[in-house]
This record gives sequence, C-alpha cells and structure tokens, in this order.
Amino acid sequence: EVQLVESGGGLVQPGRSLRLSCAASGFTFDDYAMHWVRQAPGKGLEWVSGISWNSGGMAYADSVKGRFTISRDNAKNSLYLQMNSLRPEDTALYYCAKAADYSNSRGGFEYWGQGTLVSVSS
Amino acid sequence: QTVVTQEPSFSVSPGGTVTLTCGLSSGSVSTSYYPNWYQQTPGQAPRTLIYSTNIRSSGVPDRFSGSILGNKAALTITGAQADDECDYYCVLYMGSGIWVFGGGTKLTVL
Repeated sequence: EVQLVESGGGLVQPGRSLRLSCAASGFTFDDYAMHWVRQAPGKGLEWVSGISWNSGGMAYADSVKGRFTISRDNAKNSLYLQMNSLRPEDTALYYCAKAADYSNSRGGFEYWGQGTLVSVSS
Repeated sequence: QTVVTQEPSFSVSPGGTVTLTCGLSSGSVSTSYYPNWYQQTPGQAPRTLIYSTNIRSSGVPDRFSGSILGNKAALTITGAQADDECDYYCVLYMGSGIWVFGGGTKLTVL
C-alpha cells in the first residue's frame, strides 16, 4: 500500500524558513517523480513544485520560484521542500504527491499524503 | 498567463450522468496536457480519479471516465451517487515541468 506522510509544518513568522518532509513507503521510491501541492484554507489546489526520479528535473510555480527548493533522498525514500522567505500567502496545507511517471513532466499525480499545515503569521 | 477553466458548480440527479470539463483560457486541451482529475471531500486529501487523460487510478470504479471532448478534457460520471457530491479538480501540464490546476467544480447530487 502506498503511504506518504508529510511532516515539518507549523506556525512561522513572515520572512522565516521551514523545511517540509515526506516519508514514502509501499512503492519503489526512486522509480517515480514526486510533487508538492498546496491548498490555502477554503481555496482550491495549487501545484507548488515537482522533481524527477533522479533529481535531474525540477520545476516550480511562479509564486514560489526563488524562495522554495525541492529535493529528494532516494536512499531514505524521502522528499523535501525547503521554504525560505515565507509570506502570509504561503499559509496552506501542503500535500506530497507521488507521480504516475518517473518524469515530473508527464502523467500527473497518482497518490497523495494527508498534508502538513503551514501557517505564516506574525 | 493561461488559465485552466472548470465549471464552478454543477448538479446531477441521483443515477444520472454528468460531464465536467477542463479547458484553457486560450487554446485547446489535448492528451499532451496529461489531464488529471481529482475528487475531494471536505477535510480530506484529494483522491486521484483519472490521470494521463483516461487512466483510472487504482480502486476507482468504472463509472468514472476521462476523455477529450472537443477542445476540453472531460470527466464523465455515470450512475451518480449521493457520495459523489464533493469538489472535483483537474490539472493540466503546461510544459517546462509546470502543472496548473483548475479552480474546481462543486458537484451537487439532488
């Protein structure tokens, strides 16, 4: 059974940093791309970032480019999102999603975690 | 910037068939956009229904199907049930690793 467990969320002041983690199990992690998707309270889904199976391809939404960095450790079956210079508009539930393909540029998102909440406020 | 469009709301009668669509503010959706469809009930994580246009995710009943209809991606639900009442989101691949979600459709079954 595919399991994705996010952690690292919390309350943080504007301008500070936070690192999210996603622990994956139930599938061959290094065979698949991974993504982060967020959902602000009461709003729709927003794709944040994706990374290919071997970290050779990475992409970011314009809203986070230059502030967020996605990475993965295939030896630890883990995905990460380093979030710097956080803003109140980054407040959201952040989901980790397993891709349907080894590439972050194909297929889409096949499985989702339950999310970790990030709140940015002074 | 290209916007992904979805109907804000839709209604279907129990047992009926409904087709939700996913389009572009400029241009036509094709299989190259790898349209995906997700279902989300309040307080829950999204559940993948369809990826890569028409591939049903594991465990999804065959009354959910994906296709390209005209210049849009489409999700068709046949035999609508009460627990189909929730939000539905599509996402499209825009190139250069970028994915964009639609604003979602709130489906009512009544």
